Amino acid sequence: SQTIHQWPATLVQPVGSPLSLECTVEGTSNPNLYWYRQAAGRGLQLLFYSVGIGQISSEVPQNLSASRPQDRQFILSSKKLLLSDSGFYLCAWSVSGGLNLIQYFGAGTRLSVL
Amino acid sequence: GNSVTQMEGPVTLSEEAFLTINCTYTATGYPSLFWYVQYPGEGLQLLLKATKADDKGSNKGFEATYRKETTSFHLEKGSVQVSDSAVYFCASPSGSARQLTFGSGTQLTVLP
Repeated sequence: SQTIHQWPATLVQPVGSPLSLECTVEGTSNPNLYWYRQAAGRGLQLLFYSVGIGQISSEVPQNLSASRPQDRQFILSSKKLLLSDSGFYLCAWSVSGGLNLIQYFGAGTRLSVL
Repeated sequence: GNSVTQMEGPVTLSEEAFLTINCTYTATGYPSLFWYVQYPGEGLQLLLKATKADDKGSNKGFEATYRKETTSFHLEKGSVQVSDSAVYFCASPSGSARQLTFGSGTQLTVLP
């Protein structure tokens, strides 16, 4: 069966510090991968998605970046965090190609920038 | 691209009450429709789905019927429990087949 792991679960970082959140998927090959942000009390904002190694599409211009160094690894990064980067970050995957559009989510990382 | 509009919350109900959370969609054609649930502090889980018009998705006592006449996919449950307290998201594929667009989420609180 497929599983998705995200870490860390919670993170408190000072403004201006770097960020690295990691997401890995097991039990599937060549998944589509996604990073979402969920601000407190709000819906989901798609940040990045990837259809393959090294292929990243950005949905919202900001000081975050994403990388996919391996097939089932997706990393969200920032060189300098802003207060507005606080939120709940969710990684998700879906089967590539075909008509199965279901996305499967990780448990999320709660980031507080102080 | 496709979009979904979801009933705003929060919704507070007593245990065993009837639940309806409204969701309407705008789309070209008849896309698949989904309901996801997010329990406190967790990621989203697929609750149910419908892949074509007139389909009914169901799971854990929740149901939603894909109604093309009203472009709706309302979530219903006949008798809610405290454990159903969560945020519920309606979703539909966006312009790209690889993406989903989510509604704004509806916070449900069920009181004992």
